Amino acid sequence: SQQGEEDPQALSIQEGENATMNCSYKTSINNLQWYRQNSGRGLVHLILIRSNEREKHSGRLRVTLDTSKKSSSLLITASRAADTASYFCATDFTGGGGADGLTFGKGTHLIIQP
Amino acid sequence: DAGITQSPRHKVTETGTPVTLRCHQTENHRYMYWYRQDPGHGLRLIHYSYGVKDTDKGEVSDGYSVSRSKTEDFLLTLESATSSQTSVYFCAISESILRDGYTFGSGTRLTVV
Repeated sequence: SQQGEEDPQALSIQEGENATMNCSYKTSINNLQWYRQNSGRGLVHLILIRSNEREKHSGRLRVTLDTSKKSSSLLITASRAADTASYFCATDFTGGGGADGLTFGKGTHLIIQP
Repeated sequence: DAGITQSPRHKVTETGTPVTLRCHQTENHRYMYWYRQDPGHGLRLIHYSYGVKDTDKGEVSDGYSVSRSKTEDFLLTLESATSSQTSVYFCAISESILRDGYTFGSGTRLTVV
């Protein structure tokens, strides 16, 4: 399977702390994306990082990409209760052409304790 | 999400019956996708479309068919529902996967009894 894998599967932290989750994948990619899913809802796109980028920021989110290690990390700073959700990485593999869909990992379930 | 709706939101059906799920978009995006989400498996691609009447199979397409006769509608049909198709089904749209992420619908929870 070309599926990305998130680590850890679950993470529980105190409000205000930083949360870091990781994603590893197996083959060359065009880009890697992170999504959030609140319970019972659809996924929401958070950030996209291209294969020639190493770091990207969006508000309290920081994403890094290391193509040599085939891994990415998502950092959420100053966490809030509303950040409680599942987070998924998704990859668009080189040669996939883009049209044939992203491949998603199984997700990290993040719980922010008040 | 605004611009993409799935119907129905919930459905219970009997084994062996055909079921059709609908995805409707108002964004005029070219690409549409059907995924299923199951515990322990994450999201898996069923079928996708890259234009009107242009569709192809994904990772878990057995037992499913799709149609796209208009840009805005992408239908997923379970030809003869089985209990293993009990799942949450998500539709997603994309204008350009190289630039943007997907926009997901709210999902359809399907139970096959």
